Parts: sequence; structure tokens; C-alpha cells
Amino acid sequence: AQSVTQLGSHVSVSEGALVLLRCNYSSSVPPYLFWYVQYPNQGLQLLLKYTTGATLVKGINGFEAEFKKSETSFHLTKPSAHMSDAAEYFCAVSESPSGSARQLTFGSGTQLTVLP
Amino acid sequence: DTGVSQNPRHKITKRGQNVTFRCDPISEHNRLYWYRQTLGQGPEFLTYFQNEAQLEKSRLLSDRFSAERPKGSFSTLEIQRTEQGDSAMYLCASSLSQNYGYTFGSGTRLTVV
Repeated sequence: AQSVTQLGSHVSVSEGALVLLRCNYSSSVPPYLFWYVQYPNQGLQLLLKYTTGATLVKGINGFEAEFKKSETSFHLTKPSAHMSDAAEYFCAVSESPSGSARQLTFGSGTQLTVLP
Repeated sequence: DTGVSQNPRHKITKRGQNVTFRCDPISEHNRLYWYRQTLGQGPEFLTYFQNEAQLEKSRLLSDRFSAERPKGSFSTLEIQRTEQGDSAMYLCASSLSQNYGYTFGSGTRLTVV
């Protein structure tokens, strides 16, 4: 069974500071990993995904994440926070044998607050 | 690409009533998913369709829940005899086969009073 742990349900950073949101996963097969962002009363928007290949993945809005197999981690970073980054962020994992439904298992989320 | 559309956006119902939600996926997407998200939690998988076939259901989907996708286009999720514990955001997502590009709708927020 797969699972995701997001350390820190709330993270606050100052505008312009580094954003680091932590995600650790558990998977019995090589995982596919995702970060989504959710603004209030909205659906989820894909920030970035890791499937195969390069372990450093760049996404939208200046975010990136690095897949570290030895640490079973997929932490999300952004060098300089912007006020518009304030939102809830979800890490998700999918195990995908060929032909599977590819359902996602989500972490419980991290609420990012950006302070002026 | 008009995105995934969900209706209604909000639904308030009395306990014991039936409710139905609709999801219109991106037209060329043949996979459709329903997820449920409760306050302070990440979304949880409910069920999955490939075209019109419902191929997987979570054990979260009790016998009060039913989902359909006639003709492989829009989907409906019905909850019968609603309970207060059903209060949640119900999210629909669609994707192409062999493609990890899930697109989520904005969700339907259900409140059972």
C-alpha cells in the first residue's frame, strides 16, 4: 500500500524567503509523485510531477521538487516566496503497473502562509 | 479545452435526502475519477471510470453512493439517505489513458444539516 506524509500542516515564510514543503512517501513499487496546489474553494492544480528520468523536476510558478529514492522524499521548493503562493499544497503518490487506474493517494496537505 | 466542470458548486441538504452531483470532463479525456475531500485532509479516491465502465471503487463508497457515466461522457455521483458525515467537497478529475495529466474540477461542496 502506498502512503504520503507531509511534515508540517502549516508553514509560514516571509515574502522573498525560501519555501520548503516536505513530503515523504511509502510505496512498494517505483512511485510516480506529484505536487498539487489548492486555493480556497477551488479544485487542485498540478504544480509538477515525477514519473521517470531526471530526479529534479521543475514545475509552474517557479516551484521545483527533487525525487530522492534513498530518503523516500519529494520535497517542494521555491527560491523566493510571493504573496500569491499562499495556498494549500498536497503531495500525492501513484503506483502504476501498466493498465492500472492510477489513482492518487494524497497527503493531508500543508497550508502555506506568506508574510509581507 | 474548457476544463472539468462540476455542478452544483454548493449543495445544502437535510439529513436523509438524496443528492446528485454532475461532472463534465474534458471532452477527449476517457478516464474520470471521483474524490472526496473533508476539511483539513487531502482528497480520497472514491471511484474511477474508463469510458462508460466503472472499473474501480473504494471501500469508502458505501452502498448509499452510486456513480454513473453513461456513454462515457459526463458522470453523476448520487448519495442516497445523506448523513452528516457525508459533508465534504466532492472533486471530479479527468485524464487521458496512459497520461498522468489529471485535471480537477472546482468541486461540489456538500453540507448535510
